[in-house]
Amino acid sequence: AQSVTQLGSHVSVSEGALVLLRCNYSSSVPPYLFWYVQYPNQGLQLLLKYTSAATLVKGINGFEAEFKKSETSFHLTKPSAHMSDAAEYFCAVSGSGGSNYKLTFGKGTLLTVNP
Amino acid sequence: DTAVSQTPKYLVTQMGNDKSIKCEQNLGHDTMYWYKQDSKKFLKIMFSYNNKELIINETVPNRFSPKSPDKAHLNLHINSLELGDSAVYFCASSLTGAGDTEAFFGQGTRLTVV
Repeated sequence: AQSVTQLGSHVSVSEGALVLLRCNYSSSVPPYLFWYVQYPNQGLQLLLKYTSAATLVKGINGFEAEFKKSETSFHLTKPSAHMSDAAEYFCAVSGSGGSNYKLTFGKGTLLTVNP
Repeated sequence: DTAVSQTPKYLVTQMGNDKSIKCEQNLGHDTMYWYKQDSKKFLKIMFSYNNKELIINETVPNRFSPKSPDKAHLNLHINSLELGDSAVYFCASSLTGAGDTEAFFGQGTRLTVV
């Protein structure tokens, strides 16, 4: 079984400030971890993924995330927020084998960026 | 060219009706999915097909019947629609069904049952 907890349903930052979106996971098998972004009235787009290679993963639009097994975390960061980053962000976990071949999503974190 | 396309984008219908949502992907992927996003934005998988075979069926009422005529298409038919079926339904595809592959999502179909 696998699950994801996203701490904070809403995060608000100023333009140019650090973005930190938190994600903790639970998985009975080695996890694959993903961050997706959803802009209003659109589908989801992959930002980055962890698949057991480097623990620090770089994605699109300047985002990165670090896999920390000891903390079961996969937090998403961006050094400097831009207005265009305002969106809903979803952390997701998948696993290898059998019924784990599916994405289990967190409840999402809405990021607002203030001018 | 849209990679994963769904039709219609919006669907408003009365309780008790039957409706279908169509999905097509032009990425050559083997695996396709249906996800449901509720009013609180929570996303949950409904079905997964790999090369036209049903792989995952996540305790979805049997009023929902997916059909995959070929690996590029996965349609969703819903019988006897209920108010609680109102949601955004997303189709997605991935190269394989392996856990490390990226899923590509369609734009979603917003279903409103009145």
